[in-house]
Amino acid sequence: AQSVTQLGSHVSVSEGALVLLRCNYSSSVPPYLFWYVQYPNQGLQLLLKYTSAATLVKGINGFEAEFKKSETSFHLTKPSAHMSDAAEYFCAVSAFSNTDKLIFGTGTRLQVFP
Amino acid sequence: DTAVSQTPKYLVTQMGNDKSIKCEQNLGHDTMYWYKQDSKKFLKIMFSYNNKELIINETVPNRFSPKSPDKAHLNLHINSLELGDSAVYFCASSPRLETQYFGPGTRLLVL
Repeated sequence: AQSVTQLGSHVSVSEGALVLLRCNYSSSVPPYLFWYVQYPNQGLQLLLKYTSAATLVKGINGFEAEFKKSETSFHLTKPSAHMSDAAEYFCAVSAFSNTDKLIFGTGTRLQVFP
Repeated sequence: DTAVSQTPKYLVTQMGNDKSIKCEQNLGHDTMYWYKQDSKKFLKIMFSYNNKELIINETVPNRFSPKSPDKAHLNLHINSLELGDSAVYFCASSPRLETQYFGPGTRLLVL
């Protein structure tokens, strides 16, 4: 069984500040992990993914995430927030087994203040 | 060209009605999915088809029936709509066992 926990349903940062969105996972098999972003009234866009290669994954728009097996974490970071980063962020896990489905966390809304 | 498209974008209807949502992908992917996002933004898988074959059927009321006429299309038909069906429904597609790409969503409001 797999699950994802996103700590903090809302995160607020100032423009230019570090962004840290937390994700912890539970998986009985080696996980594949994803971060998706959802802008208001839009679909989900893939930010980055971990598929058992390098543990530090770089994504679009300056985001990156580090897979830490010992901590069962896959936190998303960005060194300097931009106003356009304001959105809902979802962490997801998949086993890429025959069921091939994404299990999502509950999402974190990122607000960026000028 | 939109990779994964859904129609309609918005759907407002009365309780008890039957409605369909259509999804098309032009990415050549073998697998398509339906997800439901509730009012608290929680996303959950409903169905998945691979090459027109149903491979995932989560605990979804049987009022919901997916149909895949070909591997580029996955439609969702909902019978006897209820207030609790109000949500955003997302279609997604992927190559088998690969990253999923999502459509823009269909916002369903049942009155």
